[in-house]
Amino acid sequence: QKEVEQDPGPLSVPEGAIVSLNCTYSNSAFQYFMWYRQYSRKGPELLMYTYSSGNKEDGRFTAQVDKSSKYISLFIRDSQPSDSATYLCAMSEYSGGGADGLTFGKGTHLIIQP
Amino acid sequence: DTAVSQTPKYLVTQMGNDKSIKCEQNLGHDTMYWYKQDSKKFLKIMFSYNNKELIINETVPNRFSPKSPDKAHLNLHINSLELGDSAVYFCASRSGGDTEAFFGQGTRLTVV
Repeated sequence: QKEVEQDPGPLSVPEGAIVSLNCTYSNSAFQYFMWYRQYSRKGPELLMYTYSSGNKEDGRFTAQVDKSSKYISLFIRDSQPSDSATYLCAMSEYSGGGADGLTFGKGTHLIIQP
Repeated sequence: DTAVSQTPKYLVTQMGNDKSIKCEQNLGHDTMYWYKQDSKKFLKIMFSYNNKELIINETVPNRFSPKSPDKAHLNLHINSLELGDSAVYFCASRSGGDTEAFFGQGTRLTVV
């Protein structure tokens, strides 16, 4: 079983819809959870970061972590065509990945239809 | 100013060749990484360097060797290139204690 599971999609939704993206993981040592957004032919950029369990909100984005279920989610409200990208979950035992770097999911390709 | 820059952006080469990819960061970070993203978009850590010292080396063939001439640079040398090495290689950097790792634009390597 892979360390981090993420449905690659594609996930296609109409503009304005609420989008739900999620990942499951197996390593209970993970404490830091991130969502990166990657546009086509670009490098990943950090979107959201949470430590341990709980919720974090930033504008239209909400990240949730449930460590007991080893499940993390990213919600996007009022989705826009500019949100179309690949969303990668990432996690680590140490802040920023430490020396071990980040463990990524495969990424979900999201398409927001105008 | 680009925070993490990689050159070249695209690289097409024949099997058996030796090539290098350069990475520079102007953020003053002390840890740099190389990641590989395969055709299925799976991003996986290859190496990390902290203060010019190799910290980890995942299950990467020894044909791949990182070289860090100084704290701002981490280059990736690849010997005897194989078809399976075709992928996008990303350099990233981070400052100790910070959360965010900054990624470069990637180098798309195609081995023919």
